[in-house]
Amino acid sequence: NAGVTQTPKFQVLKTGQSMTLQCAQDMNHNSMYWYRQDPGMGLRLIYYSASEGTTDKGEVPNGYNVSRLNKREFSLRLESAAPSQTSVYFCASSEILRAGGRQETQYFGPGTRLLVL
Amino acid sequence: QKEVEQNSGPLSVPEGAIASLNCTYSDRGSQSFFWYRQYSGKSPELIMSIYSNGDKEDGRFTAQLNKASQYVSLLIRDSQPSDSATYLCAVRQVRMDSSYKLIFGSGTRLLVRP
Repeated sequence: NAGVTQTPKFQVLKTGQSMTLQCAQDMNHNSMYWYRQDPGMGLRLIYYSASEGTTDKGEVPNGYNVSRLNKREFSLRLESAAPSQTSVYFCASSEILRAGGRQETQYFGPGTRLLVL
Repeated sequence: QKEVEQNSGPLSVPEGAIASLNCTYSDRGSQSFFWYRQYSGKSPELIMSIYSNGDKEDGRFTAQLNKASQYVSLLIRDSQPSDSATYLCAVRQVRMDSSYKLIFGSGTRLLVRP
């Protein structure tokens, strides 16, 4: 049981290049999330997927796209990378997104460190 | 005003002391509150959740919630050097469609001196 896995662990891009960050979870969770973490800013939600087949914008979606490929996998794509997207990206999953449920703990992957030059 | 506010620290305490970490939030309708611990270069991990006013204890950790004051705290008793990490406060906000999102504070860095 690996939990939440992310690839790659590190990536260096040049401005304008594109890339896809991959995330997979093996806990049969319905909901998945992408966050970025910058010094002094905490975790900010980029996109989330409440369930397979749905995606919604978070706080900072500009410059990103996502795909919920199936229940296990949720990818984040940078179409044209910018230096402002230099950050640590975390994928997370949880069992339930709907309010009222207690099974809402989010489990985080190990993160992807991205540097855009 | 940030939705979830924490003092960035560092908060430095001697080994064996009580570390007190604080968090305030702006959405009065929030119902669920979480503390995550994040070691340097690692991902956040949940250590406490609290939903009702009062105290909730789990081992050396105690979470305290005061909804009237919109205040959440985390107490770590008998602090150990291994507790040195950044502690993130998270507050659940419920949307109109009953879905929710977590809003994270920027974290407080705790240093426990041997």
